[in-house]
Amino acid sequence: GAGVSQSPSNKVTEKGKDVELRCDPISGHTALYWYRQSLGQGLEFLIYFQGNSAPDKSGLPSDRFSAERTGGSVSTLTIQRTQQEDSAVYLCASSLAVAKNIQYFGAGTRLSVL
Amino acid sequence: SQQGEEDPQALSIQEGENATMNCSYKTSINNLQWYRQNSGRGLVHLILIRSNEREKHSGRLRVTLDTSKKSSSLLITASRAADTASYFCATGLVENTDKLIFGTGTRLQVFP
Repeated sequence: GAGVSQSPSNKVTEKGKDVELRCDPISGHTALYWYRQSLGQGLEFLIYFQGNSAPDKSGLPSDRFSAERTGGSVSTLTIQRTQQEDSAVYLCASSLAVAKNIQYFGAGTRLSVL
Repeated sequence: SQQGEEDPQALSIQEGENATMNCSYKTSINNLQWYRQNSGRGLVHLILIRSNEREKHSGRLRVTLDTSKKSSSLLITASRAADTASYFCATGLVENTDKLIFGTGTRLQVFP
């Protein structure tokens, strides 16, 4: 597609369940980023990928959070045993290359943990 | 603590007025970018200024960068109701060009 695609757009889950969020970056973009944004707040960096490798996982809040990227394209962010504080909008972005780090964002997944 | 912090946190103006938002950061950068966000969803890139540049224009947007003060400003001239959004600065760090660090954002409300 022409832009960054995220699915689902909204996810409601029960506390303790696992969720998977998907990001499909712009074709040809080598870098992919995950952020979390709580209501009315700024962006919290979670993890980024350069190709399939994740040089920086420093932002993952706990070991319940993990992400992978296969084939240098689609990425999934998995949250295990969700907690209410995980409720937020999860944003994915991609960029063309390391030196040109203008990021293109998807519309996000709004996660609500009941 | 945040690398980038914007002020004010919120700004309300009338259509036709100018809006100025400021961003301060802490560590050395190779570029600074401004993004816009509508309704808590995806961000849209507005403008990028490199560390060796002092001012840049794009349409009604004017960005300045003062690396000695570690600060930047975004000016929107002749604002419109459609400019209502949150605006974020993001810094590209010298030691890690792969990442952007986003600030806390300014919520701009433009009244018709």
